[in-house]
Amino acid sequence: NAGVTQTPKFRILKIGQSMTLQCTQDMNHNYMYWYRQDPGMGLKLIYYSVGAGITDKGEVPNGYNVSRSTTEDFPLRLELAAPSQTSVYFCASSIRQGATEAFFGQGTRLTVV
Amino acid sequence: AQSVAQPEDQVNVAEGNPLTVKCTYSVSGNPYLFWYVQYPNRGLQFLLKYITGDNLVKGSYGFEAEFNKSQTSFHLKKPSALVSDSALYFCAVRTGGITDKLIFGTGTRLQVFP
Repeated sequence: NAGVTQTPKFRILKIGQSMTLQCTQDMNHNYMYWYRQDPGMGLKLIYYSVGAGITDKGEVPNGYNVSRSTTEDFPLRLELAAPSQTSVYFCASSIRQGATEAFFGQGTRLTVV
Repeated sequence: AQSVAQPEDQVNVAEGNPLTVKCTYSVSGNPYLFWYVQYPNRGLQFLLKYITGDNLVKGSYGFEAEFNKSQTSFHLKKPSALVSDSALYFCAVRTGGITDKLIFGTGTRLQVFP
């Protein structure tokens, strides 16, 4: 049972570089989320998806892009990395809306220098 | 707007004593409320949830939470704390509806001293 898998676990980027954070889940969940976690700030929702082909912005979407071509995968793209994007990124999924809990990946620690 | 507040950055408690981690919420309609725990360098793990019904919800590792609609609170509790309970705890609410989102509080660090 892999659950939610995120790659890479760690990454250092230079300012202006781009990268894609990968997230895949094997639970056939419709809902997927991307969060960033900064110290003392809790988790902020970046983007979410309610199914393949459907995505929407969360609280802090600027500087990020997502796509959802399959149920399993929900990659997060950083086009022009900035120091403000230094954070820990978590991907999560849930089977449906409302009363069901979400399952989280182990996180990706990103440093932009 | 839907939101969750955790008023305490840190809670300190001696092992064996009861613990409470506070959470208040603001949502329209009936709330779906959750507690998650995060251990160092790990993702979040689900502890328990409130959907409807009994106001006292029991979850993993001996934790429970009390839903209070009049006070819009969902405090996490445990009768006897363990050192191994030391972690970061997050309260969360799902907004429901078509554009369902899972919104988190800022987290409370629980430190249990031997």
